[in-house]
Amino acid sequence: AQKVTQAQTEISVVEKEDVTLDCVYETRDTTYYLFWYKQPPSGELVFLIRRNSFDEQNEISGRYSWNFQKSTSSFNFTITASQVVDSAVYFCALNRNNAGNMLTFGGGTRLMVKP
Amino acid sequence: DAGVIQSPRHEVTEMGQEVTLRCKPISGHNSLFWYRQTMMRGLELLIYFNNNVPIDDSGMPEDRFSAKMPNASFSTLKIQPSEPRDSAVYFCASSTRQVGMNTEAFFGQGTRLTVV
Repeated sequence: AQKVTQAQTEISVVEKEDVTLDCVYETRDTTYYLFWYKQPPSGELVFLIRRNSFDEQNEISGRYSWNFQKSTSSFNFTITASQVVDSAVYFCALNRNNAGNMLTFGGGTRLMVKP
Repeated sequence: DAGVIQSPRHEVTEMGQEVTLRCKPISGHNSLFWYRQTMMRGLELLIYFNNNVPIDDSGMPEDRFSAKMPNASFSTLKIQPSEPRDSAVYFCASSTRQVGMNTEAFFGQGTRLTVV
């Protein structure tokens, strides 16, 4: 069975603060993909990143960075210098049985960035 | 590209009625997924099609739910009869899956279903 846990249900920060969203996963697969999606107040799901289990290199994209640590089964997401537009629910996900985009989602973390 | 298109965006129906949700995947994508989002259960996969064939429907909650993909550009999710507990946001997503390439899933804007 696969499981994704996002222990932080809600985080509130003030604009320009850095914030890290935690994601811990469980899987018996040796090959898998991890994902982060953003769900803004408008409701759509926006893809942010996909990471292969064999690639533990951290990734940075603008103000976003991701820290993948296989040893602790974690795939954490950091937003640097947060902005009000970052306010959204963020979901971490794991593909099931290495099956493409059959995703097991975490419960999501609601991020509120206040001006 | 127009992205994944779902219709209707909102649907309100009475308990016992049939509901049909529609999805047009991104052109060229050969995998299609239906997900459901509720407060209680979060985001859960209902069914996965690859090349128009249902591959995994283990997430379909019960026989009242059925999904079809008659061609590469159209899929439906039907609930008959609907019940209040079916109220949720239903997302359709599509991606490409073939040997050597597997893109991420792109989601539609969802259909918010309310069964009263």
